[in-house]
Amino acid sequence: GAGVSQTPSNKVTEKGKYVELRCDPISGHTALYWYRQSLGQGPEFLIYFQGTGAADDSGLPNDRFFAVRPEGSVSTLKIQRTERGDSAVYLCASSWTGGAYGYTFGSGTRLTVV
Amino acid sequence: QKEVEQNSGPLSVPEGAIASLNCTYSDRGSQSFFWYRQYSGKSPELIMSIYSNGDKEDGRFTAQLNKASQYVSLLIRDSQPSDSATYLCAVNGNQFYFGTGTSLTVIP
Repeated sequence: GAGVSQTPSNKVTEKGKYVELRCDPISGHTALYWYRQSLGQGPEFLIYFQGTGAADDSGLPNDRFFAVRPEGSVSTLKIQRTERGDSAVYLCASSWTGGAYGYTFGSGTRLTVV
Repeated sequence: QKEVEQNSGPLSVPEGAIASLNCTYSDRGSQSFFWYRQYSGKSPELIMSIYSNGDKEDGRFTAQLNKASQYVSLLIRDSQPSDSATYLCAVNGNQFYFGTGTSLTVIP
């Protein structure tokens, strides 16, 4: 597509539920990144994919968070047993290479856990 | 110590003035440096990149890099109200690190 597409744009879920957030990168971009951003903070790195594999998942906060990119294009971020502290904007970005020339961000998914 | 540090502001400048935004980073091996602009409720937008020491100009924006001092800055000349946003410094080292951002308000 023309830009990075993230769905849904907003998600409200109850504590303890499972959620999936989807990212469709710019066509041809091999690198895909997930970040989360809390109010007043900069984006916090979660995971980086190069193709289908997770090249760096060191930012995932715990084992409730998992992400996949099975065909090297669309990625899904999965959060199990959501907690109120997971509430944030989840940003996806993509690039041609490993970020050496910057990223293009999607519009984000605002996750609210109540 | 955070990987990338910025003064959170807020920074207020009158319309037409020069806004100066600063950033320091800790990873000496970093090679790529970026400034992103983020309007309230929107996602970050890449506005400048710089890779070598010195200045890089693009329209009203000038990025400055000093690797020896581990310092990156962004100057916005002839500031406009539409420049009011949060400016994020980002550094590509082992990971792509963002600062917490500096909030800029340009007063008409």
